[in-house]
Formats: sequence, structure tokens, C-alpha cells
Amino acid sequence: ETGVTQTPRHLVMGMTNKKSLKCEQHLGHNAMYWYKQSAKKPLELMFVYSLEERVENNSVPSRFSPECPNSSHLFLHLHTLQPEDSALYLCASSLIGGGASNEQFFGPGTRLTVL
Amino acid sequence: DAKTTQPPSMDCAEGRAANLPCNHSTISGNEYVYWYRQIHSQGPQYIIHGLKNNETNEMASLIITEDRKSSTLILPHATLRDTAVYYCIVRVLQRAGNNRKLIWGLGTSLAVNP
Repeated sequence: ETGVTQTPRHLVMGMTNKKSLKCEQHLGHNAMYWYKQSAKKPLELMFVYSLEERVENNSVPSRFSPECPNSSHLFLHLHTLQPEDSALYLCASSLIGGGASNEQFFGPGTRLTVL
Repeated sequence: DAKTTQPPSMDCAEGRAANLPCNHSTISGNEYVYWYRQIHSQGPQYIIHGLKNNETNEMASLIITEDRKSSTLILPHATLRDTAVYYCIVRVLQRAGNNRKLIWGLGTSLAVNP
């Protein structure tokens, strides 16, 4: 148990569906991250939120829409996805600033399959 | 692109030390080396990090060469539960927003055998 939870753990959706992934951290951290992990590829950083502001968007298609309503919660809204978007989506959180070591704590991930 | 290179796989006997190498020859002076591991079907787990000096915690030891171009993660007494993919990562300090970014590679798949 890392203090970062993700729901759902598994999701199967059609290309026309709209769904959302949820992440919650109970660690008092001030930064949250979305990563994509595809088979045989390194983790890809998608979005970074620092103090609830999006500070990084790594050329992610607009069919992925993040939302950070407060420092403990992070969502990834999905719509009109493609089969190549099937992957493990990982959420992480960390403390940044003030000399913090910035180690990231990861949730267990959501395994997404797009049919 | 990842700033580190690691062997794709390694084997280790249970109870023996596992020494996982990592090359980071282009590392800059203010960039840290981080190690994470990912057990099958779980998210990555932080292990240890360092800048110049060797570091030790309850999970592992990190040995960084004097020129900082390579490092070794040591699991002193590997167990079957240490079977995982181990990632050596350079933490890059980005100019905008004082943000620090982890650049991930493909890691080393460590198999601990009975």
C-alpha cells in the first residue's frame, strides 16, 4: 500500500465511450502525475500538476483530458480513444519544492483496453 | 530519450547479492540518479537515490563512481520477492517552473531464482 489509490483497476471501453480514471493520494503531497506504460516501451509522462496547476503536458492528444480539483485528487477523462491507447495508466504523487527529494509514489495503475 | 543504459535482464540466486549496473555517461553535475522497481502488475516503487556519495537504506545500497558516469544498485540478500524490473533514472531539472522530471528507460528485468 503506497498511499496512492487508483480506480478502476481494469477498464474495457469502446472507441465511442467516455470514461474517467480516478487517482487519490493520502500522503499530503503537492504534485501529481499521469503516466502511460505500453508494452515494451518506457514509462511516458503525460501530465504533471503542481499545486493543482497543470505544469506539463507532453504533447498528449486531446482525447485525454486531465483534471485536478484539489491536491489529493486527479482524474483522467477519456473520450473517443483508439485501440493503440490500450495501456497501463499510472498515477503518481510527490512533494516538490523546499528541498524535497521528489521521490514519486505510484498507484497500482488502471489497465485500459480499447476495443 | 533516457539518459541511462542498463542490461535488459539478469539472474541472481536467492540469498546472494544482486548487483545491478547502470551507465549514465552524460549526466550533469546537478542531476540525481534514482532507482525504482516494478513488480509484475504493480506500479513502480521508489528504492533509493543519490547525487555523488554512496547511499544505503533498508532496501538497498547505491554505489556511484567518482566520475558519476555509472552506478550500481546492490540488493545485499536477494529474495524471490525481489524479482522485478529495476529502473535506473536520471532526474532532470527543467528550466520552466523548477520542475524535476524523471526520464525512464526500459530497465533491467531481475529474476531471483531459488
